[in-house]
Amino acid sequence: GQNIDQPTEMTATEGAIVQINCTYQTSGFNGLFWYQQHAGEAPTFLSYNVLDGLEEKGRFSSFLSRSKGYSYLLLKELQMKDSASYLCALETDSWGKFQFGAGTQVVVTP
Amino acid sequence: GAGVSQSPSNKVTEKGKDVELRCDPISGHTALYWYRQSLGQGLEFLIYFQGNSAPDKSGLPSDRFSAERTGGSVSTLTIQRTQQEDSAVYLCASLPLVTSGGGGELFFGEGSRLTVL
Repeated sequence: GQNIDQPTEMTATEGAIVQINCTYQTSGFNGLFWYQQHAGEAPTFLSYNVLDGLEEKGRFSSFLSRSKGYSYLLLKELQMKDSASYLCALETDSWGKFQFGAGTQVVVTP
Repeated sequence: GAGVSQSPSNKVTEKGKDVELRCDPISGHTALYWYRQSLGQGLEFLIYFQGNSAPDKSGLPSDRFSAERTGGSVSTLTIQRTQQEDSAVYLCASLPLVTSGGGGELFFGEGSRLTVL
């Protein structure tokens, strides 16, 4: 299987940094993706990693270590609008075919 | 339209009834996916259409579930003899032309919330 584990909820203060960890057990995958989902809305793409290392996109960065079965999403300079669920997902044997984690609910407080 | 469109947005049905959920993907996108999201659970892959190829049905949970895609565009997900455990948000997503190598960023619709009483 490809069990994907991420924390259920994290709370952080506006302007701070939060790191959401994602661990997985799998024999192979195309890439590791992060999606953001606000309550009652569609998930939207944030970032992805195919190779090990750090990918930076503005306030959001994502890291992957295939050998350690580990990824994280880093959110900097948190804003209230960043309050959402963050989904870690492995793209498996086909484009767009994902195994998703249960999501991490991030609550940003003033 | 500009994005993936799904209907109905909400559907309440009685156990044992059949339901149809519709998805209209982004114009020109060749790949279409159905996922479902149950309360407190991650998104679960159901089925995937790519061009004229046979669909990947490996995620359908039972033979009560089926989907078709007509003319390479609109798709319908049908659930027969609905059960309470079918209650979930059914999300449709699309991708432009799919090639080898991975990196598929999905464009999701708002979803159809199904409640089976």
